[in-house]
Amino acid sequence: DQQVKQNSPSLSVQEGRISILNCDYTNSMFDYFLWYKKYPAEGPTFLISISSIKDKNEDGRFTVFLNKSAKHLSLHIVPSQPGDSAVYFCAASARYETSYDKVIFGPGTSLSVIP
Amino acid sequence: GAGVSQSPRYKVAKRGQDVALRCDPISGHVSLFWYQQALGQGPEFLTYFQNEAQLDKSGLPSDRFFAERPEGSVSTLKIQRTQQEDSAVYLCASSSGTVGSPLHFGNGTRLTVT
Repeated sequence: DQQVKQNSPSLSVQEGRISILNCDYTNSMFDYFLWYKKYPAEGPTFLISISSIKDKNEDGRFTVFLNKSAKHLSLHIVPSQPGDSAVYFCAASARYETSYDKVIFGPGTSLSVIP
Repeated sequence: GAGVSQSPRYKVAKRGQDVALRCDPISGHVSLFWYQQALGQGPEFLTYFQNEAQLDKSGLPSDRFFAERPEGSVSTLKIQRTQQEDSAVYLCASSSGTVGSPLHFGNGTRLTVT
């Protein structure tokens, strides 16, 4: 069973508009939620994270919103730029069963920003 | 170097061969992870090291997979008697180990078993 879900495999957005990437999770014990960005032939790179005790975190053009009651988070990119075209992975970590952050990834959403 | 380094970048193996994949984490990072990424999917957890101790190997798909980190820095993932289903990108990541600290990934090794 998939603990982290990204139900949209792909998304196309016009340059300058807002990109909204969605993520749902099933495990209420997750401590942190993270977004990673991946270009072809490269490893994922960390973008932004949010603690489970917060509902919003902002870093420049990127904002992550967390709705714990709905077990849902979203990544907003404003304004979108062509260089944002990549695969975005939603990830969640939990430390309750282990002594370390075990990070579980979603399947990814491929974002295309059209110039 | 400043980032996580993995070698080789690409590996082609004939079915039944053994392969060894190397990971050089960021210097000083306590935590080291191996993930497997199949085409079109997200990274799947394989194993975790805290310094030289392998604390979690619950994601290793079979006993053909073996990982080590003998001196708490460089790690090697070994796959014995490779099968076609082992074809994937193998990603290594390291972190400082503090709560909520992000993973820093290498560029991965793409393994193709023919």
